[in-house]
Amino acid sequence: GENVEQHPSTLSVQEGDSAVIKCTYSDSASNYFPWYKQELGKRPQLIIDIRSNVGEKKDQRIAVTLNKTAKHFSLHITETQPEDSAVYFCAASKGNDYKLSFGAGTTVTVRA
Amino acid sequence: GAVVSQHPSRVICKSGTSVKIECRSLDFQATTMFWYRQFPKQSLMLMATSNEGSKATYEQGVEKDKFLINHASLTLSTLTVTSAHPEDSSFYICSVGGAGTDTQYFGPGTRLTVL
Repeated sequence: GENVEQHPSTLSVQEGDSAVIKCTYSDSASNYFPWYKQELGKRPQLIIDIRSNVGEKKDQRIAVTLNKTAKHFSLHITETQPEDSAVYFCAASKGNDYKLSFGAGTTVTVRA
Repeated sequence: GAVVSQHPSRVICKSGTSVKIECRSLDFQATTMFWYRQFPKQSLMLMATSNEGSKATYEQGVEKDKFLINHASLTLSTLTVTSAHPEDSSFYICSVGGAGTDTQYFGPGTRLTVL
């Protein structure tokens, strides 16, 4: 089955700096890659996703890049703010109605 | 995105009892629902995929007789933890998908504590 690896496990950045989280996947049939943000005790919230026919996608301070050949994708958060502090999960799936395989998560702390 | 609710949000039960958790899709016809378990400071682990009107597909290592899943309608799936034990204490989260979409939206989760 699909194996998703995520790095780093923890990330501490100064407010205003950028944060980058990287994930790799193993199944070349995967074609959908969402990123979720989870605050303590809360549900995972979809923050951005990318599909395999696109190499990059941006939404305000958040961007995701995908390299299908290398089977890796990354989340970029620019101008970080304290409210960006949370656990971020990457995931991969084969698309419609198919299960998600999650990475282990990255705990991001933004220092004021 | 889809609006998903779960009930109850928290439950404490005695060892040996059964607990039912409901997952409702409030504005989306969810042909597929997923059930996850999340231990503290860990990732989400898929337990089973539930398809409306058919039997759930369980992940390897998940006991189907212990974790009973029913998906009788397009808006409701239930997870029953039977004969719960302290090691079943966890955060249980459902997500909804289906109808040809690859996006999943999560419920708020249920915190189960088994004494």
